[in-house]
Amino acid sequence: AQSVTQLGSHVSVSEGALVLLRCNYSSSVPPYLFWYVQYPNQGLQLLLKYTSAATLVKGINGFEAEFKKSETSFHLTKPSAHMSDAAEYFCAVSDRTGGFKTIFGAGTRLFVKA
Amino acid sequence: DGGITQSPKYLFRKEGQNVTLSCEQNLNHDAMYWYRQDPGQGLRLIYYSQIVNDFQKGDIAEGYSVSREKKESFPLTVTSAQKNPTAFYLCASSIFGQGSNEQYFGPGTRLTVT
Repeated sequence: AQSVTQLGSHVSVSEGALVLLRCNYSSSVPPYLFWYVQYPNQGLQLLLKYTSAATLVKGINGFEAEFKKSETSFHLTKPSAHMSDAAEYFCAVSDRTGGFKTIFGAGTRLFVKA
Repeated sequence: DGGITQSPKYLFRKEGQNVTLSCEQNLNHDAMYWYRQDPGQGLRLIYYSQIVNDFQKGDIAEGYSVSREKKESFPLTVTSAQKNPTAFYLCASSIFGQGSNEQYFGPGTRLTVT
C-alpha cells in the first residue's frame, strides 16, 4: 500500500533563507510524486511532479524537488524564501497501477519571518 | 478559462439537515473526486468517479452521497448521518487513464454545521 510521510507539521524560515520541506513515500512500484501548495481557504495548486523523466524536478515559483529512490524521498526545496511562500504544502503519491487514486501527506505549514 | 468551480464558498447548516455541495468542471476530465480536509489530517478521499453514471467510495464515504449524471458535474450531499460534517471540502478532477493522475482542484467549500 502507498503512503506518504511529511516530516514536520510546521516549518519556520527567515526571508531569504533556504526552504526544505521533507517528504518520504512508500510504494511497491516506482510512483508518481507531487507537491501541491495551498493558500488559506483556497484549493490546492500543483507545484511540481515527478514522472520518472528526470530525478531533479523544477516547478513553479522557484521550487524544485529531487527524487531519491534509495532514500524513498522527494524533498521540496527553494534557495531563498519569500514572504509570499507562506502556505501549506502537501506531498502526494500515486502509483502506476492504480491510476486514479492519490494519497496525500498530512501537510507542512511554512512560515516565513521578515 | 478552464477550471473547476465549487459553490458556495461558505455554507452554514443546522444539525440534522442534508446539504449539497456543487462541483462543476469544464476541463473535459473523465475523473472527479471529493476530498475532506481537517486541520492536521491532510486530504481524505470521500468518493470518486471515473466515468459518468459510475462512482466508488473512498476512505470516508459514510454519511455522504454523490451522483455523476453529467461529465462536468459531481455534486456531493452531506447527509444527517455524517457525525462530524464541519470541514473544508475540496473537489478535484483528472484525465482518466493518464498515468500520473495529476489532479486539478477547485477553490473549496467550507461547511459549518451547528
